[in-house]
Amino acid sequence: DTGVSQDPRHKITKRGQNVTFRCDPISEHNRLYWYRQTLGQGPEFLTYFQNEAQLEKSRLLSDRFSAERPKGSFSTLEIQRTEQGDSAMYLCASSRQGAHYGYTFGSGTRLTVV
Amino acid sequence: AQKVTQAQTEISVVEKEDVTLDCVYETRDTTYYLFWYKQPPSGELVFLIRRNSFDEQNEISGRYSWNFQKSTSSFNFTITASQVVDSAVYFCALSDDYNQGGKLIFGQGTELSVKP
Repeated sequence: DTGVSQDPRHKITKRGQNVTFRCDPISEHNRLYWYRQTLGQGPEFLTYFQNEAQLEKSRLLSDRFSAERPKGSFSTLEIQRTEQGDSAMYLCASSRQGAHYGYTFGSGTRLTVV
Repeated sequence: AQKVTQAQTEISVVEKEDVTLDCVYETRDTTYYLFWYKQPPSGELVFLIRRNSFDEQNEISGRYSWNFQKSTSSFNFTITASQVVDSAVYFCALSDDYNQGGKLIFGQGTELSVKP
């Protein structure tokens, strides 16, 4: 069990640029979640996958956001045409089958849009 | 709708004091899970406890204890004899695994500062 890995840890980008983050879950976990955390707030749910299927998207996930989980393994979260309001910590979590088994969180990717 | 409220934004105590972090939740579901996480300055969320809605027994783990009361929809967390290393942001969270896909709904967090 190597934990949940997220890459990069930090990303600084200019407004209008596209960014992509990667999350590698624990290998036997079939659920993968993305959360966004802004300063002074709790994490907010963005989307989740069960295997390769994206089963739910929050209304926080605007059209500029897209997430994929090809082959049910790692996942990517892409933000197109970044805005300053996208600056946040993006957290990934994985789980064997949801709340009953608990969740393992990655260290997050901190995005700063300048 | 599900909601978690942590009314205490910041708490400051002196080392060795006991401190209780409050958590009140709202849900219409009869089956749900409650969690507490610790977030140190490094940013990673550290799991502390998970409780399901059918288990109202209080739990103690070392200096940590949790009081779950369904009648008041509360799941409070007490640190006994606090230490400087307990300084962090603590989050209470709720999950309905059956109807909501297992996503976590977090409170806004309580920042605990333990001074020497």
